[in-house]
Amino acid sequence: SQQGEEDPQALSIQEGENATMNCSYKTSINNLQWYRQNSGRGLVHLILIRSNEREKHSGRLRVTLDTSKKSSSLLITASRAADTASYFCATDAKGNTGKLIFGQGTTLQVKP
Amino acid sequence: DAGVIQSPRHEVTEMGQEVTLRCKPISGHDYLFWYRQTMMRGLELLIYFNNNVPIDDSGMPEDRFSAKMPNASFSTLKIQPSEPRDSAVYFCASSLALGEKLFFGSGTQLSVL
Repeated sequence: SQQGEEDPQALSIQEGENATMNCSYKTSINNLQWYRQNSGRGLVHLILIRSNEREKHSGRLRVTLDTSKKSSSLLITASRAADTASYFCATDAKGNTGKLIFGQGTTLQVKP
Repeated sequence: DAGVIQSPRHEVTEMGQEVTLRCKPISGHDYLFWYRQTMMRGLELLIYFNNNVPIDDSGMPEDRFSAKMPNASFSTLKIQPSEPRDSAVYFCASSLALGEKLFFGSGTQLSVL
């Protein structure tokens, strides 16, 4: 079964707006990662947050982690048309020996 | 480094044929993963290697699927015989350490007719 579940499944916003995607998972984790996938391409790593961290920033990306709620969010600020892609969370579950399990993803469309 | 390199980029074959997908990981990465992506099932981990040794193949769907890593710079995923339900995008990824950042190849789009 999927470890991570993203919400929403699809999101459409205007350029310049912020986009927030959520990920919920089921078991304790070592870390949680976010990836982006452009249509027809491989996944690209965006950010990794460890279980003892609550927030991380990378450029226009902000990731939060709430281990008590078993959830994470990815915020993209001041979105651009080039941010149009699918975004996946992936969890490294404790005891799962490093196997990254991916959620189903959120498809983001940023309209110019 | 050129990143993870997969070939072929696209493969169209007929049911019953053997299919071999190839992957060259990033030099120095000790871990190599094979994932399959479909609309219905999303990204599934098929198998992963550590220092060329298969560690976990619990995701391999059937005996028709096999994977090898004869050396640190090359891995293959073979499907024999192929079936239409094997149609998917197959990704190879590598990493420096387990559970850490994955570097993905561009994938092989497989269509089995």
